[in-house]
Amino acid sequence: GDSVTQTEGQVTVSESKSLIINCTYSTTSIAYPNLFWYVRYPGEGLQLLLKVITAGQKGSSRGFEATYNKETTSFHLQKASVQESDSAVYYCALGGTGNYKYVFGAGTRLKVIA
Amino acid sequence: GALVYQYPRRTICKSGTSMRMECQAVGFQATSVAWYRQSPQKTFELIALSTVNSAIKYEQNFTQEKFPISHPNLSFSSMTVLNAYLEDRGLYLCGAREDQNTLYFGAGTRLSVL
Repeated sequence: GDSVTQTEGQVTVSESKSLIINCTYSTTSIAYPNLFWYVRYPGEGLQLLLKVITAGQKGSSRGFEATYNKETTSFHLQKASVQESDSAVYYCALGGTGNYKYVFGAGTRLKVIA
Repeated sequence: GALVYQYPRRTICKSGTSMRMECQAVGFQATSVAWYRQSPQKTFELIALSTVNSAIKYEQNFTQEKFPISHPNLSFSSMTVLNAYLEDRGLYLCGAREDQNTLYFGAGTRLSVL
């Protein structure tokens, strides 16, 4: 089957420090998976943060970036300097072109402290 | 841009009763809609994938008899939770697909069951 594993639980980072949330994926049914990071702020729905559909490419948005590494099957999310407003739950997801379903990781709660 | 409105945001129903949630795509044509559920302490599970003019495909452990879905046109979909019980509580998300690769999600409907 297909699965996504990401940094578990909560990550606490001081404001202006760097962040990395790990994400690795496994797929037996998608030849060319698309990779996504979604974010859910308190009280809101899932928002697309960034996506990459081609292996070797990097996606970026709002200071966050992630590189699609097919060799290591990873798609880690990084930010050089976090802000308190980045506090949210981040979900890594795997999808296929067309109507293939998405598979989500368990989510990582980011808490940024002043 | 692509927006997805989902309502109600929160609902409480008595055990054994039913509730309906709706999903509206604005600014794009939602050729397919995916309904997900996030139960407490779990990640998002796909309930079903609905494509206009095609049969709705339900995932294992979810059935049309329990979660009937309507997707009459390219901007609207609804799902009903029939005979809701405690195990049905959680956050229900609809995701509408704009292009071949990306799902855009609504804010979700949080279902509580008394």
